[in-house]
Amino acid sequence: GQNIDQPTEMTATEGAIVQINCTYQTSGFNGLFWYQQHAGEAPTFLSYNVLDGLEEKGRFSSFLSRSKGYSYLLLKELQMKDSASYLCAVTDSNYQLIWGAGTKLIIKP
Amino acid sequence: ETGVTQTPRHLVMGMTNKKSLKCEQHLGHNAMYWYKQSAKKPLELMFVYNFKEQTENNSVPSRFSPECPNSSHLFLHLHTLQPEDSALYLCASSQDPGGDYNEQFFGPGTRLTVL
Repeated sequence: GQNIDQPTEMTATEGAIVQINCTYQTSGFNGLFWYQQHAGEAPTFLSYNVLDGLEEKGRFSSFLSRSKGYSYLLLKELQMKDSASYLCAVTDSNYQLIWGAGTKLIIKP
Repeated sequence: ETGVTQTPRHLVMGMTNKKSLKCEQHLGHNAMYWYKQSAKKPLELMFVYNFKEQTENNSVPSRFSPECPNSSHLFLHLHTLQPEDSALYLCASSQDPGGDYNEQFFGPGTRLTVL
């Protein structure tokens, strides 16, 4: 079967750095997405990785290792508004998006 | 209106009611999706429409009936639902559902409660 694993919940302090991990076992791989979802709102696109390595976009970076079936989202200089759920999703060989259950990130002052 | 809109935002219904959820995308995309989001579970893909044609139906019970009159509008008709159907129903759209870069744009969802 296809599976994506993420931690259920993480807590971090304002101004700090946090890394949210995602591991996947899918039938094929055609890219990995990270989405952010604030409570009661729509998921919004954060990043996309298809090749190994680090993609940086402001305070957010996403890393991919296809050989290890592993990605992480790195959030720097955390702000209170970063409190949200972070969803990892992989495009499989049939170009279907397979979703993780999401990681709820709690930021404390 | 911009992006993807959904109405209503909240819906409470009894098990014998019939209601419909509406989604509209203003992005000129070719594909539209219905997802079910339950607490602490992955997004469950329910239906996919590509150029108004249904291309996916992931074993969804017949009490959920989708309708896609054109590429911009998507409905989900509900009847004789069960309490376990209570969830957040998300609509999404994308430009290229058959490609590896299939960024999906989501609406804010309808929070459904079945009594």
